[in-house]
Amino acid sequence: AQRVTQPEKLLSVFKGAPVELKCNYSYSGSPELFWYVQYSRQRLQLLLRHISRESIKGFTADLNKGETSFHLKKPFAQEEDSAMYYCALRSSGSARQLTFGSGTQLTVLP
Amino acid sequence: EAGVVQSPRYKIIEKKQPVAFWCNPISGHNTLYWYRQNLGQGPELLIRYENEEAVDDSQLPKDRFSAERLKGVDSTLKIQPAELGDSAVYLCASSSMAQETQYFGPGTRLLVL
Repeated sequence: AQRVTQPEKLLSVFKGAPVELKCNYSYSGSPELFWYVQYSRQRLQLLLRHISRESIKGFTADLNKGETSFHLKKPFAQEEDSAMYYCALRSSGSARQLTFGSGTQLTVLP
Repeated sequence: EAGVVQSPRYKIIEKKQPVAFWCNPISGHNTLYWYRQNLGQGPELLIRYENEEAVDDSQLPKDRFSAERLKGVDSTLKIQPAELGDSAVYLCASSSMAQETQYFGPGTRLLVL
């Protein structure tokens, strides 16, 4: 069975400070990892995926298979980054089910 | 483009009553998903459709939940009868075969009293 763990329910940082949202997973196959974000009063949307290896809104995430982690990082947090962040894993094969973590509420303080 | 459309946005019912949620996916998206999100949790897949076929409904509580996707476009999720524990946000998402990125609707917040 696949599982995604986000150990921090709440995370607060000051504007301009670095931020790291933790995500660990368990999956026996070769996973695809994603970060989704939900801003206040908006719908859930894809932020980035590990396959793309891109930086979106200054955020990056590296898949570490040895530590089974996919932490989300940004060197300088902005107030507009305040949102709920979900890490998700998609299984390989025909099922391709998306499994979400329980989310981390990030608050960037002025 | 309106994106994924869901209705109603909010629903309050008494336990044992039936309830239905409707979803209109993004035009051209053949895959449709229904998720349930309990308070403080991430979304959990209930059922996935490829066109009009339910290809993954292993997480759908079939004793009280049912879903359909007639003509492979709009979908309806029904609960009958509702229980207190069904209070949650019900999310619909869609994706295309080419891209596979899931686009989510705004959700329906259900409260069962």
